[in-house]
Amino acid sequence: QQQVKQSPQSLIVQKGGISIINCAYENTAFDYFPWYQQFPGKGPALLIAIRPDVSEKKEGRFTISFNKSAKQFSLHIMDSQPGDSATYFCAGPVLGGGADGLTFGKGTHLIIQP
Amino acid sequence: GAGVSQSPRYKVAKRGQDVALRCDPISGHVSLFWYQQALGQGPEFLTYFQNEAQLDKSGLPSDRFFAERPEGSVSTLKIQRTQQEDSAVYLCASSLNLNTEAFFGQGTRLTVV
Repeated sequence: QQQVKQSPQSLIVQKGGISIINCAYENTAFDYFPWYQQFPGKGPALLIAIRPDVSEKKEGRFTISFNKSAKQFSLHIMDSQPGDSATYFCAGPVLGGGADGLTFGKGTHLIIQP
Repeated sequence: GAGVSQSPRYKVAKRGQDVALRCDPISGHVSLFWYQQALGQGPEFLTYFQNEAQLDKSGLPSDRFFAERPEGSVSTLKIQRTQQEDSAVYLCASSLNLNTEAFFGQGTRLTVV
């Protein structure tokens, strides 16, 4: 069964708007919650990640919000730009902890309209 | 090298043919991972090496899939008797050590015809 479920599958946002992608996880042993960004023909690249000891982490325009009791975490992209158009994946660790061996969600195809 | 390098970038194989996919990790990276990414899906974990030791191969879909990293650097993913369902992008990732960021290569797109 899928250990991380993300939504929506696709998202269209106007330039300057806020993009929000959500992820729900099953395994309470997860202790590392990354978001990856993937452009066509490229491998995924780590965008931002959070550990469960904090509820929010911000890096530039990107913020992760983490809700341990609901087993959910989300990615917020502020002031979305056309260059942010990509597929975004949330993930959790396969190997029971840390940043090794990840199980990925099915992805969200984000389009930022100029 | 500057990043994780995979070769070939594209491979077309006839059904039943054996293929070998190569991964050159970032120099000095101890951990190496292989993932399979089907069209429109997220990457799926295949196997994991710590130096030359294959510590987890639970994601390999069948015994036709085999991975090795004999000297703890370059790794090869071999698929024997390829089937159409093996068509996917195969991604390699490496990390400096445990609990550090994994960097992905661009992948090898395998098409089985």
